[in-house]
Amino acid sequence: SQTIHQWPATLVQPVGSPLSLECTVEGTSNPNLYWYRQAAGRGLQLLFYSVGIGQISSEVPQNLSASRPQDRQFILSSKKLLLSDSGFYLCAWTTLWNTGELFFGEGSRLTVL
Amino acid sequence: DQQVKQNSPSLSVQEGRISILNCDYTNSMFDYFLWYKKYPAEGPTFLISISSIKDKNEDGRFTVFLNKSAKHLSLHIVPSQPGDSAVYFCAASEGGGGADGLTFGKGTHLIIQP
Repeated sequence: SQTIHQWPATLVQPVGSPLSLECTVEGTSNPNLYWYRQAAGRGLQLLFYSVGIGQISSEVPQNLSASRPQDRQFILSSKKLLLSDSGFYLCAWTTLWNTGELFFGEGSRLTVL
Repeated sequence: DQQVKQNSPSLSVQEGRISILNCDYTNSMFDYFLWYKKYPAEGPTFLISISSIKDKNEDGRFTVFLNKSAKHLSLHIVPSQPGDSAVYFCAASEGGGGADGLTFGKGTHLIIQP
């Protein structure tokens, strides 16, 4: 069966520090991968998606970047965090033969102080 | 511009009664709609979906209704149970689930009171 993991689960970082959140999917190949953010009062906002290794599409201009170094690995990064980067970050995956359903990881809570 | 709108941030329902969560959308190209349930500090989990070729889909206690002319869908939970207390997100996609993911509403916090 397919599983998705992301880490760390909780992160407290000072403003201006770097960020790296990692997500891996098991049990499937060539998934579409996504990073969403849930900020207070803003629902789930799509940040990045990837349809293959090295292919990244950005939905929202921001302080963050994403990379996909391997088929089932998706990384969310920042060189210098801002206070506004605080939120709950969610990795998700789907495959071409799904009917649009996304499967989410456990989430990573980022607090920038 | 918010394409999927959940205008009720919260909803309180008594245990055993019906919970009705509403969602409106503006993009007429959306053809697939989903509801997700989310507990605090966890990822959302898929609940139920409906294609635009249908107007109703039922799964146990959960039923989703779609009114395409009104660009409105709703989720009915009958009977409501304490474990249903969570945030519910409405989501939509074009083309039966394209690579660019789902568009979500802001969510409705459902509180089931004993």
